[in-house]
Amino acid sequence: AQSVTQLGSHVSVSEGALVLLRCNYSSSVPPYLFWYVQYPNQGLQLLLKYTSAATLVKGINGFEAEFKKSETSFHLTKPSAHMSDAAEYFCAVSSFSLTTDSWGKLQFGAGTQVVVTP
Amino acid sequence: EAQVTQNPRYLITVTGKKLTVTCSQNMNHEYMSWYRQDPGLGLRQIYYSMNVEVTDKGDVPEGYKVSRKEKRNFPLILESPSPNQTSLYFCASSLSWGVGGDYEQYFGPGTRLTVT
Repeated sequence: AQSVTQLGSHVSVSEGALVLLRCNYSSSVPPYLFWYVQYPNQGLQLLLKYTSAATLVKGINGFEAEFKKSETSFHLTKPSAHMSDAAEYFCAVSSFSLTTDSWGKLQFGAGTQVVVTP
Repeated sequence: EAQVTQNPRYLITVTGKKLTVTCSQNMNHEYMSWYRQDPGLGLRQIYYSMNVEVTDKGDVPEGYKVSRKEKRNFPLILESPSPNQTSLYFCASSLSWGVGGDYEQYFGPGTRLTVT
């Protein structure tokens, strides 16, 4: 079974500084990978996804992530943090199900809360 | 407006009293999924559905049932709720999750369930 590990449950960054959120997964085959953002009292919103095309994936709000198969990682970065980036971020991985012959199973990491300080 | 709706948004119930949380999407999406969110655990998938009459267990299906009789609806049923099912529940849908699909999930607003 797949698993997802997010390093750091809380990250504090200064406004304008680099945002780096770490995600590692376990998989024997290249999976589909995702980053989601959750603002307070809201559902999740997709930031970006890796589906075996380009290894460097660009998403919304200036975020990007790089798939590194050798490191089984999919870290999320943003060059310059903005106050509006304060939220919780979740990494997720799709795994294959023989029952449905699909990649419909999803595992999420425990989440990383990002605080942005002025 | 394209959206995923869940009802009710808040529910307090007692142990053992059957309940259903409804989920409906108006985007003609094939894929639908239920998650529960608990502090420190992130989201955990309960069940998902690739299309009508095609469902599969996620990581935490015990104590839950689902059905997908129509494309737009994917209700979550708790036959005999217990306090450990107190959680925040999200329904999500995606146009397609098959090979070559778009893999973008749209989430509902969440249902906060308390079982006493």
